[in-house]
This record gives sequence, structure tokens and C-alpha cells, in this order.
Amino acid sequence: SQQGEEDPQALSIQEGENATMNCSYKTSINNLQWYRQNSGRGLVHLILIRSNEREKHSGRLRVTLDTSKKSSSLLITASRAADTASYFCAPSGAGSYQLTFGKGTKLSVIP
Amino acid sequence: EAQVTQNPRYLITVTGKKLTVTCSQNMNHEYMSWYRQDPGLGLRQIYYSMNVEVTDKGDVPEGYKVSRKEKRNFPLILESPSPNQTSLYFCASSFSGVYNEQFFGPGTRLTVL
Repeated sequence: SQQGEEDPQALSIQEGENATMNCSYKTSINNLQWYRQNSGRGLVHLILIRSNEREKHSGRLRVTLDTSKKSSSLLITASRAADTASYFCAPSGAGSYQLTFGKGTKLSVIP
Repeated sequence: EAQVTQNPRYLITVTGKKLTVTCSQNMNHEYMSWYRQDPGLGLRQIYYSMNVEVTDKGDVPEGYKVSRKEKRNFPLILESPSPNQTSLYFCASSFSGVYNEQFFGPGTRLTVL
């Protein structure tokens, strides 16, 4: 199964600032998903971007995908304390039956 | 309410005492899976099921069993738990496979003494 690798491992910003986290993967994909996990809770799906899409928006979230560089980024604009969580990417390739998660980016938004 | 439920949410047990963690979804999902989450290791998939009676190993299946007799249920069985299975466990489901949004349960925190 293919695993995404999130970068940075940890990020600390002030409320109101933008947060950017990145995901790299190794082989071609069909789509890539981003998830959020509040401490000790189940993951929550944020956004799915397909391999033929370059950018996708959902509220304050913006996801980009660059298949030539095998990378994706998640931008959270005007961050809030409630955005404090770990963020995971999950790429999936053709014929995948497994969804593998990396170690995530731990985002801390300071009020 | 559409959801994935897990029971128990917390469990402390002793080495060798068989246990089952239940997982149930009410969304008529085909695909279900189990993950464990450990500090520094992220989430690792234990088993997954594409449909009823179809299960397959994930990345860390040793020491675990699963069954999928009904579409809605996907229990995780530890026949002889050991301390290295102390972890936070998550069940997840989706409409059909990994190309869809995964819905996660609230987690089961297991401690094996």
C-alpha cells in the first residue's frame, strides 16, 4: 500500500495566521485524501482531490495536488484555536484496497 | 445518525485473556477496516474487508483476527493479547473501498497488562 509522508511533523502558529502542511508520496495515485484528528479521537475526512484536479477548496481549506512532483499541500486560512489537531494525508493508487496514513502534521493554533 | 460505533471504548485486560472489540456501521457500507495508532508510528492498518465474507490482511495483522458475517459488523478479535497490543484502535468504513471518504469510529483504548 502507498503511504503519504506529511511535513512538517509539527507546526505552531498564532490564531488568524495561515497554516500550510505538505504531503509527499512515491507512486502514481487515483486520488488523495486529507483527514483531521483531534486528540485521541477518530479521524474526520476533510477533502478528497482526484489525480486530474490541481486545486480544491472547502470553506477555509485549500488543497493543491502536483502529480509531477508527487506532492500535495493543505492550506488552512485564518486559523482558529479549534483547528488545533493532527492532519493526515492518504494517497491511493489504482487497484488499492488499503488506505495507509503517515504520522501526520500536528498543528497547534495559539489563541 | 450515520455513524461507526465501537465497543468498548476503554479496556484494561491481562495477557492471554481473549477479547473482542466490536465495530458496527449503519450506513450500508461495503468496506470496513481496523487500524491501530501508536505514538511515533502513526496509524497502521490491521485488517480490511471489501465486503461480507471477504477479509484481508493489512500491514500489521499478527495477533489479530477479524470476521465479516454481516455487512454492518466487523469485530476485531485478540485471541491471546500481549502487552505490545496496548494501543488505540480505530474502526473505519466507506461506501466502497479506499477511493471514498472513510468514516471513523471514536476509538477503543486498550491496555494489556
